[in-house]
Amino acid sequence: AQSVAQPEDQVNVAEGNPLTVKCTYSVSGNPYLFWYVQYPNRGLQFLLKYITGDNLVKGSYGFEAEFNKSQTSFHLKKPSALVSDSALYFCAVRDYNDYKLSFGAGTTVTVRA
Amino acid sequence: DAGVTQSPTHLIKTRGQHVTLRCSPISGHKSVSWYQQVLGQGPQFIFQYYEKEERGRGNFPDRFSARQFPNYSSELNVNALLLGDSALYLCASRSSETQYFGPGTRLLVL
Repeated sequence: AQSVAQPEDQVNVAEGNPLTVKCTYSVSGNPYLFWYVQYPNRGLQFLLKYITGDNLVKGSYGFEAEFNKSQTSFHLKKPSALVSDSALYFCAVRDYNDYKLSFGAGTTVTVRA
Repeated sequence: DAGVTQSPTHLIKTRGQHVTLRCSPISGHKSVSWYQQVLGQGPQFIFQYYEKEERGRGNFPDRFSARQFPNYSSELNVNALLLGDSALYLCASRSSETQYFGPGTRLLVL
């Protein structure tokens, strides 16, 4: 079985401040980890993924995420948040030999001007 | 290149009716997956198809079915609609390890 936990329903930050969205996962084999963003009334937009290699992954729009195997975490980060980053963020995991994605419940990010 | 496309964008049905949702993957992608996203929750896996064969099924009743056509487009069918089937239905096509999602079809069951 595989699962994702996003412990914060909401994250509020001021524009220009660092943004962190937390994610922990559980999977039986090697994890493939993903972050997606969803704007109102839209589908999911791919941000970044960790498959193997460097624990720090860089993605679209200045986002990055750090894979921590010992803590089974994959937190999303952005050094300087923009108002336009306000959206719903989903962490997802799958086992290396399965293409089914399991998603967290999502974290709503609000960046205030 | 065009992304994943889905039709229709919105749909209103009544309980007991049947619905068909359609998805066209990104050109060159042979795998299509379907997910259901209920308001306030993350997407839940329904089906995965690769090369026209079902490769995975989530924990959904038999009222849900799908198929993939020779051009890799896909249909999701839901019979005997229930109020609880109201959701955003997302289609994703896969390239290598990444799934790319379409805009979804929002289904409202009254």
